[in-house]
Amino acid sequence: SQQGEEDPQALSIQEGENATMNCSYKTSINNLQWYRQNSGRGLVHLILIRSNEREKHSGRLRVTLDTSKKSSSLLITASRAADTASYFCATAPTGGFKTIFGAGTRLFVKA
Amino acid sequence: DTEVTQTPKHLVMGMTNKKSLKCEQHMGHRAMYWYKQKAKKPPELMFVYSYEKLSINESVPSRFSPECPNSSLLNLHLHALQPEDSALYLCASSQPGLAGGHTSTDTQYFGPGTRLTVL
Repeated sequence: SQQGEEDPQALSIQEGENATMNCSYKTSINNLQWYRQNSGRGLVHLILIRSNEREKHSGRLRVTLDTSKKSSSLLITASRAADTASYFCATAPTGGFKTIFGAGTRLFVKA
Repeated sequence: DTEVTQTPKHLVMGMTNKKSLKCEQHMGHRAMYWYKQKAKKPPELMFVYSYEKLSINESVPSRFSPECPNSSLLNLHLHALQPEDSALYLCASSQPGLAGGHTSTDTQYFGPGTRLTVL
């Protein structure tokens, strides 16, 4: 089964609102990454949070990590229509050698 | 140059054809990846090359044959594909860790993908 599971599967919000996406995983990890994918295109790396970090910011992005609950959240503040995309969390289990992507959240921001 | 390029952008092939997908990066990365992605699904890892050697093969059918001619190039040779192989094929690269493995500290840079349709 997949290492990462995300919810919601789809999210529709108005421009200016905040969007929150969650990711849960099953095994211990070294760190967790978030990627964005515009429709039919390649993935773009957004942010990496290490297992000893609890929160990280990058511009309008805020990521939290709770290793005790094996979960992470991605918050996009003041969303824009250009944020419309699919968002994936990605983990590599400790001692493992491959990155596993979660199912993804499809975000639609209405102008 | 932080770009990974892939050619062609689109490919339509019959089940008896032989074709190749190409990927190139000039970031000096020594790990390169092939992923397959079906619509509305996450990318699924197919192959990983580390220092031009195949290090991970995720039980991919032999009709997919990867090749890494040098540290900048990655090919995926296709032969006798099935319609269910139609998907977006993504290439990525990263800088391997000091031990040569791939940990989640390795940010992956993705190409735009090749949209493959098998008739």
